[in-house]
Amino acid sequence: AQTVTQSQPEMSVQEAETVTLSCTYDTSESDYYLFWYKQPPSRQMILVIRQEAYKQQNATENRFSVNFQKAAKSFSLKISDSQLGDAAMYFCAYRSSALYGGSQGNLIFGKGTKLSVKP
Amino acid sequence: NAGVTQTPKFRVLKTGQSMTLLCAQDMNHEYMYWYRQDPGMGLRLIHYSVGEGTTAKGEVPDGYNVSRLKKQNFLLGLESAAPSQTSVYFCASSFTGTGRNEQYFGPGTRLTVT
Repeated sequence: AQTVTQSQPEMSVQEAETVTLSCTYDTSESDYYLFWYKQPPSRQMILVIRQEAYKQQNATENRFSVNFQKAAKSFSLKISDSQLGDAAMYFCAYRSSALYGGSQGNLIFGKGTKLSVKP
Repeated sequence: NAGVTQTPKFRVLKTGQSMTLLCAQDMNHEYMYWYRQDPGMGLRLIHYSVGEGTTAKGEVPDGYNVSRLKKQNFLLGLESAAPSQTSVYFCASSFTGTGRNEQYFGPGTRLTVT
């Protein structure tokens, strides 16, 4: 079974600075997708960025980028030029690429990292 | 475009009471999911459906039942609520079950069982 681990329960960053959130995962599958979700106090789950395992190039979305190390099974999120609106819970998640036995496309989540942004 | 909606947004139940949470999506998605989120935990899968008329158990299915009589709706039922079911419940949907397709989430339902 796949697992996702976020080892940093809380992180803090100064406004306009850069912060990196860590995520490691375990899987025996070769093809899969990794995600970072943001959950602000409103509770809404917002997709931040997605990485396809078969793509070596790291995904980027504006100020958000990932460092995907497939061999190390590591998937960190870097937030550049942090803004007050970035304060939220961030969840790393895994999803199989195909419908393996027992896997029906659900997301497997880490426990989350609470990010605070100081003005 | 409403996306994924959940009814109700908040609910307080007493132990032993029953209730149904409704999830509706207007994106013609085949796959629908119910997750629960507890403090210090990520979201965990309760039940899911791969199409109208089908349901299956996820990681934490005990104490819950589901139904998918219409493609756009996915209902989560608690027959006899317990304090351990105090949680935030999220519904999600996607076009297929593969990772290529984004999973869209509803706004969540905060349920408290006293």
